[in-house]
Amino acid sequence: ETVLTQSPGTLSLSPGERATLSCRASQSVSSTYLAWYQQKPGQAPRLLIYGTSSRATGIPDRFSGSGSGTDFTLTISRLEPEDFAVYYCQQYGSSPYTFGQGTKLEIK
Amino acid sequence: EEQLVDSGGGSVQPGGSLRLACAASGFTFSNYDMHWVRQGSGKGLEWVSAIGTDGDAHYPGSVKGRFTISRENANNSLYLQMNSLGAGDTAVYYCVRRRRGCPRCSFDIWGQGTMVTVYS
Repeated sequence: ETVLTQSPGTLSLSPGERATLSCRASQSVSSTYLAWYQQKPGQAPRLLIYGTSSRATGIPDRFSGSGSGTDFTLTISRLEPEDFAVYYCQQYGSSPYTFGQGTKLEIK
Repeated sequence: EEQLVDSGGGSVQPGGSLRLACAASGFTFSNYDMHWVRQGSGKGLEWVSAIGTDGDAHYPGSVKGRFTISRENANNSLYLQMNSLGAGDTAVYYCVRRRRGCPRCSFDIWGQGTMVTVYS
């Protein structure tokens, strides 16, 4: 099983700042099979990024993904008030499909 | 509008059973692999089952032998039969789709979730 570890656990930033979220895998993950999701309280997760760097439909270009092998990054270039939420990475290349434990992005 | 609507959650005693359902609309259901993902209160996401367009099913070790995923393409419906439930199964359960034949594609549409509570 591929374990995904996200860091930091909580990130405190202000609107307009840049956010960098990390996802590290216990073994190599093909860049084809790495995704990022955003979840707000009381809502289902929403797909942001798939295939490491492709934005899902309707996702603004301030969200970008990068990485390879065991290290992947989600970057939000300029934080908007609606971006404060919990973010999860996921690998879906091999069963069991696994998620990271999440990074909470909170307003400073 | 492409949509998944989850239902069937509720409260059950340990050792009991529950059957979840998911109704799909707005897209060609038979073109998608379908999954269930759960989330315990204040916790992260856990994948609990998948079924391909051909009916091939997969489970993680935590639910294998207790949960059964199934689908009815004619009715655009997905199901999850859960048996021998324990406290660790208490969670919100989400129905999720993933396009078949698109390796890069991940879980792009999620249901609203249905709550399962196992109490003693």
